[in-house]
Amino acid sequence: DQQVKQNSPSLSVQEGRISILNCDYTNSMFDYFLWYKKYPAEGPTFLISISSIKDKNEDGRFTVFLNKSAKHLSLHIVPSQPGDSAVYFCAASSGGSYIPTFGRGTSLIVHP
Amino acid sequence: DAGITQSPRHKVTETGTPVTLRCHQTENHRYMYWYRQDPGHGLRLIHYSYGVKDTDKGEVSDGYSVSRSKTEDFLLTLESATSSQTSVYFCAISESGGRNSPLHFGNGTRLTVT
Repeated sequence: DQQVKQNSPSLSVQEGRISILNCDYTNSMFDYFLWYKKYPAEGPTFLISISSIKDKNEDGRFTVFLNKSAKHLSLHIVPSQPGDSAVYFCAASSGGSYIPTFGRGTSLIVHP
Repeated sequence: DAGITQSPRHKVTETGTPVTLRCHQTENHRYMYWYRQDPGHGLRLIHYSYGVKDTDKGEVSDGYSVSRSKTEDFLLTLESATSSQTSVYFCAISESGGRNSPLHFGNGTRLTVT
């Protein structure tokens, strides 16, 4: 049973607009969340993370929001750029084991 | 760019043959991981290591074994490859395995079992 769910396999956005990627989780023990970005033929790269003691973390154009009561997090990219086109994986871990559990990924396409 | 090298990058093998994939790191990180990526499944953990000769199973470990005789090398072996093991395999490393030590991934090995 999937503990980390990314229900949108793909997302298409115009350059300059906001991209919002969503992620839901079912395991209430998860207390640390990460986003990874993956280009074709490359390995995933770490993008941004958030601890459960926060509800927002920002790094440049990337912001992650966490809603613990809804077990939901989202990644906002503003403004979106064509170079952001990639697969984005949501991941979660708990204090008992910091090994992340990954979602299935969302393919983001940013059109010029 | 984390120093992680996976070899081979591509491999085609026949059902029933043994296959070993290698992950080599130059970062002297303690933790190493093997994931597989499949369409519709995302990244799933196969095995991981928390030190030389210290390994443990992940969620999809059946049919796989690992060995870590040196800090820098983590080997993944398919004893008798099956078509269901056709996948892209990623090695990852982490300095401490803690929450402030995100995983750094290699560029993957694409394995096809015919």
